[in-house]
Amino acid sequence: AQTVTQSQPEMSVQEAETVTLSCTYDTSESDYYLFWYKQPPSRQMILVIRQEAYKQQNATENRFSVNFQKAAKSFSLKISDSQLGDAAMYFCAYRSTGTASKLTFGTGTRLQVTL
Amino acid sequence: NAGVTQTPKFQVLKTGQSMTLQCAQDMNHEYMSWYRQDPGMGLRLIHYSVGAGITDQGEVPNGYNVSRSTTEDFPLRLLSAAPSQTSVYFCASRLVGGSGANVLTFGAGSRLTVL
Repeated sequence: AQTVTQSQPEMSVQEAETVTLSCTYDTSESDYYLFWYKQPPSRQMILVIRQEAYKQQNATENRFSVNFQKAAKSFSLKISDSQLGDAAMYFCAYRSTGTASKLTFGTGTRLQVTL
Repeated sequence: NAGVTQTPKFQVLKTGQSMTLQCAQDMNHEYMSWYRQDPGMGLRLIHYSVGAGITDQGEVPNGYNVSRSTTEDFPLRLLSAAPSQTSVYFCASRLVGGSGANVLTFGAGSRLTVL
C-alpha cells in the first residue's frame, strides 16, 4: 500500500520569507499523481498544487511551487513571499492513476506565519 | 455551481444512536468518497463509489454504511454511533477518466461528536 510521510508536524515562517514543506511517499508504481492541499481554520480543503509523475517539470502556481524528485520519492512544497493568509494545515497526498484509486494523505504540517 | 454540499455541519449524538450524513454534488462526478479526519492522522478513506449502484470499502469502513442510488448523492450512515466515531467527516468527489489528474473536490466538512 502506498504511504505518504510528512515529517514536519509544525513549521513557522516570517511574513515575506520562503518556507519549504517536506513530503515523501512510497510506491512501486511509475505513473501517479501528487497533490498539496491547504486546510485553513475554516477546515475547507483547498487544492494548492498538483503534479503528474510523468511530467519532469515541477509544477508552479503563483507563489507556490514544488520540487518533485521522482527517484527519491520526494515532493516538497515551497511557498515564496509568505503571507498571513498562508497559515494553515498543509497535506501532501498521493493517488495512483486507476479509476477507483483513492487519495492517500500524509498527517499534515501546520504552518504558522509570523509578522 | 454549489460543488459538494454536506449536511449537517455539526451534530452531537449519544452512543448507540444512528444518523445519516448527507452529501450531494452537482458536477456530474462519477467518483464520490467519504473521509474522516482525526488529529495527527490526516484524512482516512471510509467508503467510496465509482458510480450509481457501485460502492466499496476504504481503510476504515467499520461502523459505517453507504449507498449510491444516484450520481449526485452519496449518504454516509452511522448505524450505532460510538465515541470512537467522533471526528470531522468530509465528502469529496471527482471525475473519472480523461488524461489529467482529476482533482478531488471536498465538501465543507461535518463535525460529529458522540457522547
